[in-house]
Amino acid sequence: SQTIHQWPATLVQPVGSPLSLECTVEGTSNPNLYWYRQAAGRGLQLLFYSVGIGQISSEVPQNLSASRPQDRQFILSSKKLLLSDSGFYLCAWRRGTTGELFFGEGSRLTVL
Amino acid sequence: AQSVTQLGSHVSVSEGALVLLRCNYSSSVPPYLFWYVQYPNQGLQLLLKYTTGATLVKGINGFEAEFKKSETSFHLTKPSAHMSDAAEYFCAVRASGNTPLVFGKGTRLSVIA
Repeated sequence: SQTIHQWPATLVQPVGSPLSLECTVEGTSNPNLYWYRQAAGRGLQLLFYSVGIGQISSEVPQNLSASRPQDRQFILSSKKLLLSDSGFYLCAWRRGTTGELFFGEGSRLTVL
Repeated sequence: AQSVTQLGSHVSVSEGALVLLRCNYSSSVPPYLFWYVQYPNQGLQLLLKYTTGATLVKGINGFEAEFKKSETSFHLTKPSAHMSDAAEYFCAVRASGNTPLVFGKGTRLSVIA
């Protein structure tokens, strides 16, 4: 069966510091991968998606970037965090033709 | 284009009462519809989905939803609420291209003892 994991689960970072959140999928090959953000009181915002190694599409211009160095690894990064980057970050992979998403456990980022 | 509207950002029910969470959608293609549940500080978990076939779909934890094309609705119900049902619920519709799903803004369900 397929599993998806994110880490770290919780992160507190000062403004201006770098960020790296990692997501790994097991049990499937060449998955479509996604990064979402949930800010307090708001819904799900799609940040990035990837259909393959090295292929990244950005949905929202922002202070963040994503990379996919391996087939089942998806990384969310920032060189300098802003206060507005605080939120709950979710990684997901997409199943086949019906399109449902399967989410990781989430990473809560607090920027102080 | 696809869109989802969830009526009510917060719904409160008594333990044992009927749960009804409303979702209306707009889709230019035959819709695939989904309900997800999110417990505090956790990821989203798929509750149920409608793709084709039977319009009444049963999911986990006793939830079910009925696809009504004429009403463009996909409301989520559970006959008897349990304290453990308190969570955020998201309705979603399949999107086009590489965007996987379009989500509603979510409905927070509170269950009162």
